[in-house]
Amino acid sequence: AQTVTQSQPEMSVQEAETVTLSCTYDTSESDYYLFWYKQPPSRQMILVIRQEAYKQQNATENRFSVNFQKAAKSFSLKISDSQLGDAAMYFCAYRNTGNQFYFGTGTSLTVIP
Amino acid sequence: EAGVVQSPRYKIIEKKQPVAFWCNPISGHNTLYWYLQNLGQGPELLIRYENEEAVDDSQLPKDRFSAERLKGVDSTLKIQPAELGDSAVYLCASSPGGGRAHEQYFGPGTRLTVT
Repeated sequence: AQTVTQSQPEMSVQEAETVTLSCTYDTSESDYYLFWYKQPPSRQMILVIRQEAYKQQNATENRFSVNFQKAAKSFSLKISDSQLGDAAMYFCAYRNTGNQFYFGTGTSLTVIP
Repeated sequence: EAGVVQSPRYKIIEKKQPVAFWCNPISGHNTLYWYLQNLGQGPELLIRYENEEAVDDSQLPKDRFSAERLKGVDSTLKIQPAELGDSAVYLCASSPGGGRAHEQYFGPGTRLTVT
C-alpha cells in the first residue's frame, strides 16, 4: 500500500526567507506522480507543483521548487522568498499508475511578517 | 473556465438525519472524486468515478453512504443516517482523464456539522 508521511505538523518562516517542507512516501512502483498542494484557510485546495517520477530533474515553479530523491523516496518542497500569502496548509500527495491519490497529513505553514 | 462547483458550502444537521452533497465538475472532466477531510488531516478518497462508473469505492462506508453520477457529469453524495463522526469537510475533485489524468482540480468543499 502507498503511504505518504509529512513529519512536520507545523512550520514557520520569516517573510522573505526560505523554508523547506518534508515529505516521504512508500511505494513499490517505479512510475508515479508526486504533488504539493496548498490549502489556504478558505479550504480550496490548489496545486503548487508536481513531479513525474521518471524525470530526474527537479520541478520548479517560480519561488517553489522540489528536491526529489527517488531512491530515498523523499519529496521536499522549498519555498524561497516567502510571502504572507504563502501561509496555508501544505499537503504532499502521491498518484499511482491506477490513478489513485494518497495524501499526507499536512504541514501548517505560518509566515511571520 | 469554471472550476469545480460544490453545494451547499455548509450544512448543519442533527444526527440520524439524511444529508446530500452535490458536485459539478469542470466541463469535459471524465474523472470525479469524492474525498473526506477530517480536521487537521489530508483528504481520504471515498469514491472515484470514470464517467458514470464507480471504479473505486472501497473506502465508501456503504451501510450509510451512497453516491451517484448520472450521465457522467454532476454527482451526489448522500449520507443516511448521519452520525456525529461524519462531521468533516467533503471535497469533490475532477480530472480530465487520458494523458492529463494526473491533473486534479478541487472544489471548495462542503463543511458538514452533525449535532
